[in-house]
Amino acid sequence: ETGVTQTPRHLVMGMTNKKSLKCEQHLGHNAMYWYKQSAKKPLELMFVYNFKEQTENNSVPSRFSPECPNSSHLFLHLHTLQPEDSALYLCASSQGSQGAFSGTPLHFGNGTRLTVT
Amino acid sequence: EDQVTQSPEALRLQEGESSSLNCSYTVSGLRGLFWYRQDPGKGPEFLFTLYSAGEEKEKERLKATLTKKESFLHITAPKPEDSATYLCAVQADGSSNTGKLIFGQGTTLQVKP
Repeated sequence: ETGVTQTPRHLVMGMTNKKSLKCEQHLGHNAMYWYKQSAKKPLELMFVYNFKEQTENNSVPSRFSPECPNSSHLFLHLHTLQPEDSALYLCASSQGSQGAFSGTPLHFGNGTRLTVT
Repeated sequence: EDQVTQSPEALRLQEGESSSLNCSYTVSGLRGLFWYRQDPGKGPEFLFTLYSAGEEKEKERLKATLTKKESFLHITAPKPEDSATYLCAVQADGSSNTGKLIFGQGTTLQVKP
């Protein structure tokens, strides 16, 4: 497999369920990202991990819990979500940096389409 | 606050009718400006990175240019397969310690045969 792979592609869950989204990258990168894409809105950053350390949490509600066990895998654990959390959740990876990033492109997976009922 | 604005929101072209998409940005300091293509049901696909004013990059019918305030994505003689949403994003000094990109809302291009 190449690139960034996300599973599942589609997920329907009730507000009381617990589920997890999985992301795996085969690009040898050390930084991983979760973005949320809602209709008619720009991509919204949620979390950033650089060399397995969380470096950004963009004021995301605690019902979203990220986990990065190694540089190739990223999870997003979901619990007690709201209908407004329905969206496309995109994972991305990039070259990591021990200092400042300098124009490093992100490479995205195809996302998980989440519907909360 | 770092911001990215794209225009128009939607663009309809006839096959072969050249046009340009605009991306205006306001950032503390630009580390890189990125163009992506997104097809329905898929993630954004990386196209170009531009680093400094005056820089240009080309790929097939697409050409990206950069000034100190905006970037243009020129589409020459488009084909129906160029139909997609084109996203512009910036990496700024304020976020250089995380690598995050700040995105515009996109331009949805439809090319009719």
